Amino acid sequence: ELKVEQNPLFLSMQEGKNYTIYCNYSTTSDRLYWYRQDPGKSLESLFVLLSNGAVKQEGRLMASLDTKARLSTLHITAAVHDLSATYFCAVAFTSGTYKYIFGTGTRLKVLA
Amino acid sequence: EPEVTQTPSHQVTQMGQEVILRCVPISNHLYFYWYRQILGQKVEFLVSFYNNEISEKSEIFDDQFSVERPDGSNFTLKIRSTKLEDSAMYFCASSDRGGAEAFFGQGTRLTVV
Repeated sequence: ELKVEQNPLFLSMQEGKNYTIYCNYSTTSDRLYWYRQDPGKSLESLFVLLSNGAVKQEGRLMASLDTKARLSTLHITAAVHDLSATYFCAVAFTSGTYKYIFGTGTRLKVLA
Repeated sequence: EPEVTQTPSHQVTQMGQEVILRCVPISNHLYFYWYRQILGQKVEFLVSFYNNEISEKSEIFDDQFSVERPDGSNFTLKIRSTKLEDSAMYFCASSDRGGAEAFFGQGTRLTVV
C-alpha cells in the first residue's frame, strides 16, 4: 500500500524560530511536491523536487529530497505569522499510471 | 497565468440526487485528476484520466462516481446518488505530463443534506 506520512501533524511555533517538517513515503519515487493550503482554499504549489538530493529555497522555506531514504523535509527559518497554513507533501507515483498521493498534512501556526 | 477553473464553487444537494462537478483544466495539459478533501482532513486521490480514459482510480471511486471529458476543454465528475459522506471539497487538477507538477483548481465544496 502506498503511504505518505508527515510529521508533525500540528506545529505551533513562535515567530523567529526554526523548525522542520518531515515527509516519509513507502514506495520508490523521484518526484515530490510541496503544497500550501490556507483554510477553505485550494492547494498552492510551493516546491517541485525531481531528483535525489534536490534542494529548493523560497524565502524562509527550504525543501529537500532524499529518494534513497524516501524522505523529504520542509525547513522553516525564522518563522513569521504569514507562514501559518497547512503544508502537504505529495508523492508522484508513475509506474504505468500516474497519481499523486498526499501526506497527512502539517497544520502550522506561527504565534506572534 | 493559466489556471484550472472549477464550477460551481459551492453546491448543496439532497441525499440521493445526482451532481456534476465541472472543471476546465489548463489548455495544453493532458493528464487530469480529481481529489477530495473532507473538512480538516487529508487530500485523497479519486481518479486520474489520460487519453480519454481512466488511468487509475482509488477504492473511494466506486460505481457511484464517473468522469468524462465531453469536449476539448471540460472535465467532469459525476456522483450518481449522493450520500451524506460525499460532503467534501472536490479538487480538480491537471498536469502536462504524467507525474509532472499538478495544478489544482480552487475546488467545489459539496454539501449533501
